[in-house]
Amino acid sequence: QVQLVQSGAEVKKPGASVRVSCSASGYIFSSHYIQWVRQTPGQGLEWMGWISPETGDTNFAQKFQGRVTLTRDTSINTAYMELSRLTSDDTAVYYCAREGFISTAKTKYFYGMDVWGQGTTVTVSS
Amino acid sequence: DIVMTQSPDSLSVSLGERATINCKSSQSILYSSNNKNFLSWYQLKPGQPPKLLVYWASTRESGVPDRFSGSGSGTDFTLTISNLQAEDVALYYCQQFYLTPWTFGQGTKVEIK
Repeated sequence: QVQLVQSGAEVKKPGASVRVSCSASGYIFSSHYIQWVRQTPGQGLEWMGWISPETGDTNFAQKFQGRVTLTRDTSINTAYMELSRLTSDDTAVYYCAREGFISTAKTKYFYGMDVWGQGTTVTVSS
Repeated sequence: DIVMTQSPDSLSVSLGERATINCKSSQSILYSSNNKNFLSWYQLKPGQPPKLLVYWASTRESGVPDRFSGSGSGTDFTLTISNLQAEDVALYYCQQFYLTPWTFGQGTKVEIK
């Protein structure tokens, strides 16, 4: 079945970096963008960015520019999110999600994040 | 950035009754080339990842019970849960994907009265 499996929980000190992996199976990895979203304690959901597994193109929320790196390894159908210069405000559950789309003869129409990883808890504490 | 504002922040509904959640975007999210509103609704339960319920404002995702329905266009949208069940207790979020950065509403907590 279609699934995304993320790496395990991380505990980091302020100023450090964290890398979360997202391994895809059950579909053609290169055909769907991978989105990254986080849920912070007491806050809601926050979109971080996306990567095209086919081209490696990325798009980030301005808030994370310069701190987040999105990469992928198509040989193992895995996407990665690395966040640097961590602070306590980055304590959150991080999710990867597949962007669903419907194709017509001319274009693709995205419709939302239809498959989600299980989430990775990142705790930033001194 | 497009700001998504949900109302109410929380609501208590009796089992079997209707829950209505509103979502307003700060600008139109109607995509003219396919006449679709680029808005999705997600359900979030503790310890679980978000679940896509509705996309393009009114299209129910496969496998989602038909008691969940979405409506609206332009800037004003509604998620309705008819015949509320105990398993529907959750946080609900709207999200626009018309323009980056994709943005979510602040969430609405649905509880049983």
